[in-house]
Amino acid sequence: GAGVSQSPSNKVTEKGKDVELRCDPISGHTALYWYRQSLGQGLEFLIYFQGNSAPDKSGLPSDRFSAERTGGSVSTLTIQRTQQEDSAVYLCASSRDRGFAEAFFGQGTRLTVV
Amino acid sequence: AQSVSQHNHHVILSEAASLELGCNYSYGGTVNLFWYVQYPGQHLQLLLKYFSGDPLVKGIKGFEAEFIKSKFSFNLRKPSVQWSDTAEYFCAVGSTSGTYKYIFGTGTRLKVLA
Repeated sequence: GAGVSQSPSNKVTEKGKDVELRCDPISGHTALYWYRQSLGQGLEFLIYFQGNSAPDKSGLPSDRFSAERTGGSVSTLTIQRTQQEDSAVYLCASSRDRGFAEAFFGQGTRLTVV
Repeated sequence: AQSVSQHNHHVILSEAASLELGCNYSYGGTVNLFWYVQYPGQHLQLLLKYFSGDPLVKGIKGFEAEFIKSKFSFNLRKPSVQWSDTAEYFCAVGSTSGTYKYIFGTGTRLKVLA
């Protein structure tokens, strides 16, 4: 596609439920990143994929968070047993390679845990 | 650990005023530096980037930034702001330590009064 696509754009879930957030990167982009944006916190790095492998998962806040990428393309971020503090905008970005070409961001998924 | 500091969290200016947003980073190696902008309701987009060469970088919409290695700074400037520049601005450094990822500052919210 023309840009990075994320779905859903908004998600309201009850505390304790699992959620899946999807990211479709730009075709041909090998690097994919997940970030979390909270009010006043800037962009918090979660995980980085190069192809299907994740060499850096250091930003995942807890073992309730996991992510995978298949076919070197689509990525899914899963949050299990959601908590209210998980409420944030989850952003996905992709770049052409890992040499710091420009990162292109999606619109994000606004997650609200009630 | 690498980090990025943006000292101005909120800035309010009148149209035609000059703008300078501070950005300092903490990283000892070769750096790639970026400014991203997020207009209200839109996704993050690249304003400008520095990889090497001329330390004065020009970006879109009349923005520029100067890389000063000795000060670990990459401040964003615009001689005359417009109401349409109202947005949140993020400074980022591309980290090559370990794995490739972008480290963002906490952002500066700019409001330009018409």
